[in-house]
Amino acid sequence: QITLKESGPTLVEPTQTLTLTCTFSGFSLSSSGVGVGWIRQPPGKALEWLALIYWDDDKRYSPSLKSRLTITKDTSRNQVVLTMTNMDPVDTATYYCAHTDYLLLDYWGQGTLVTVSS
Amino acid sequence: DIQMTQSPSTLSASVGDRVTITCRASQSISVWLAWYQQKPGKAPKLLIYKASTLQSGVPSRFSGSGSGTVFSLAISGLQSDDFATYYCQHYNSDSWTFGPGTRVQIK
Repeated sequence: QITLKESGPTLVEPTQTLTLTCTFSGFSLSSSGVGVGWIRQPPGKALEWLALIYWDDDKRYSPSLKSRLTITKDTSRNQVVLTMTNMDPVDTATYYCAHTDYLLLDYWGQGTLVTVSS
Repeated sequence: DIQMTQSPSTLSASVGDRVTITCRASQSISVWLAWYQQKPGKAPKLLIYKASTLQSGVPSRFSGSGSGTVFSLAISGLQSDDFATYYCQHYNSDSWTFGPGTRVQIK
């Protein structure tokens, strides 16, 4: 059974760096074709893809946010970490991590709401 | 960058209706399109991939079609559990792009 869970701060101040951790079970991030992605959703708005890391450590970023994002994986700990720099109130959103098998987002975490405010 | 649009943004329907949601890509994406269902406070759920392939466990009243730049999600015999927001998504090895969503609400 594949499960994912996001963790991190619920409140960050403007200009700070956000660090979110996705802890997963039920699959290995060293298996061919497998990846973990991050997606966010501002309150009442649409989904927005942020970043993706593949089993072979290949990484992809949203072009509009690329300069602010870093995604890494720790295969031994079954974790993927996303950092986003220079946080702004417009970055207030629910942040999801999701398992991808050959590009399909087939298992999602429950999401974690991050509020950016001073 | 490829942009995705959806229409309508909101759709009012009754239980038993057949509804159709349209998704358009700003350039051809072949069949690399997925559909997700999201209910309030919940994570999205994958319904359809490769434009028309039903994800395992998804009821057969859901169907997808299209290729190139125009795609459709149809729900035949709308059930009360189907009232939700639906997103299309283009995917490839470099990026994922979601549409703005279509809310299906009770008439």
